[in-house]
Amino acid sequence: DGGITQSPKYLFRKEGQNVTLSCEQNLNHDAMYWYRQDPGQGLRLIYYSQIVNDFQKGDIAEGYSVSREKKESFPLTVTSAQKNPTAFYLCASSITRQETQYFGPGTRLLVL
Amino acid sequence: GIQVEQSPPDLILQEGANSTLRCNFSDSVNNLQWFHQNPWGQLINLFYIPSGTKQNGRLSATTVATERYSLLYISSSQTTDSGVYFCAANSGGYNKLIFGAGTRLAVHP
Repeated sequence: DGGITQSPKYLFRKEGQNVTLSCEQNLNHDAMYWYRQDPGQGLRLIYYSQIVNDFQKGDIAEGYSVSREKKESFPLTVTSAQKNPTAFYLCASSITRQETQYFGPGTRLLVL
Repeated sequence: GIQVEQSPPDLILQEGANSTLRCNFSDSVNNLQWFHQNPWGQLINLFYIPSGTKQNGRLSATTVATERYSLLYISSSQTTDSGVYFCAANSGGYNKLIFGAGTRLAVHP
């Protein structure tokens, strides 16, 4: 089946620990995105990538890092510098930068 | 940057009722999308509609780009329509969607 997968579904982070969220798509989309959703709010853009080996900061990039070594994959690392990481993280992709964005099922990150 | 406002923030309906959700945006848009977020958090695409009118079953949407608003119509609502409806828009050269705060819909039997 074509689509966007995210793993894990739930992730627990200890203080001072870096964690990586996985996002994979088999839709042959060029552009990929990471959003953060806090309870009761809309989504905010963390990072986006329009093509392999290229990515740009979104509105709330501090404390996060990404890589785009393969077209299908866009992992997000939540570093220890992110002081309030508890949130729902959603990955998306689109054919090009101007087309419809499709979302994965999300990862819930909790801090222990 | 562009600002996106949705109304109403909350809506309670009886099954079978019709409703209209509104999205106002502060600038011209390249991309405008409507999503439904189900109770499990999955965002489901409803419409890609930077202008014009589209229909999909009981749902339809209209964007009047010159007046900077979009409307989502839900007819004959069902309990499975419950959840949060988001409008998101982009006005720049890159597809950076800005989301509204959402409309929380509860449909009761």
